[in-house]
Amino acid sequence: AQSVTQPDARVTVSEGASLQLRCKYSYSATPYLFWYVQYPRQGLQLLLKYYSGDPVVQGVNGFEAEFSKSNSSFHLRKASVHWSDSAVYFCAVSMDNYAQGLTFGLGTRVSVFP
Amino acid sequence: GALVYQYPRRTICKSGTSMRMECQAVGFQATSVAWYRQSPQKTFELIALSTVNSAIKYEQNFTQEKFPISHPNLSFSSMTVLNAYLEDRGLYLCGARGRHNNQAPLFGEGTRLSVL
Repeated sequence: AQSVTQPDARVTVSEGASLQLRCKYSYSATPYLFWYVQYPRQGLQLLLKYYSGDPVVQGVNGFEAEFSKSNSSFHLRKASVHWSDSAVYFCAVSMDNYAQGLTFGLGTRVSVFP
Repeated sequence: GALVYQYPRRTICKSGTSMRMECQAVGFQATSVAWYRQSPQKTFELIALSTVNSAIKYEQNFTQEKFPISHPNLSFSSMTVLNAYLEDRGLYLCGARGRHNNQAPLFGEGTRLSVL
């Protein structure tokens, strides 16, 4: 079975600083990879996804992620964070893009301070 | 655009009673619908996946007897939490996918269940 590890439970950054959130997965093949964000008292919103091709994918609100097959990783980055980026970020994987559900990591809570 | 609506947004039920939640896909055909639960301070657990023309597949620790799901058409799904107890509280999310290969699952805002 696949698994997802987000090693950082909490990250605190200053507004305007860069952000990197780590995600590692365990699966024998290349899975479908996703980053979702959960704002307070809300559901999940898709930031970006990777299926194949260019390992660097661009998402919404200035987020990007880089897939590394050799490291089994899919780290999320943002060059300059805003206070509104404070939220919980979830990395998720799926064995295929249709007939399987998602396996989520535990999430990383990001707090952005002015 | 494509959206997923869930209702109710919040609900409270007495211990031992049941509660039904609904999920509606708007702007696309939901050929697969997955239900997840986020228990307090935890991540999202997959409860079951429903795919058109296939049987509903439940994950370990979740059963049809406890969480019956209906997926009667390509825009609607419902799930009931039967005989709810304290451990069933949490945020229940519906994630729907369309038939196109590059479509990521879209989630609703969730139904937050409290059990008294």
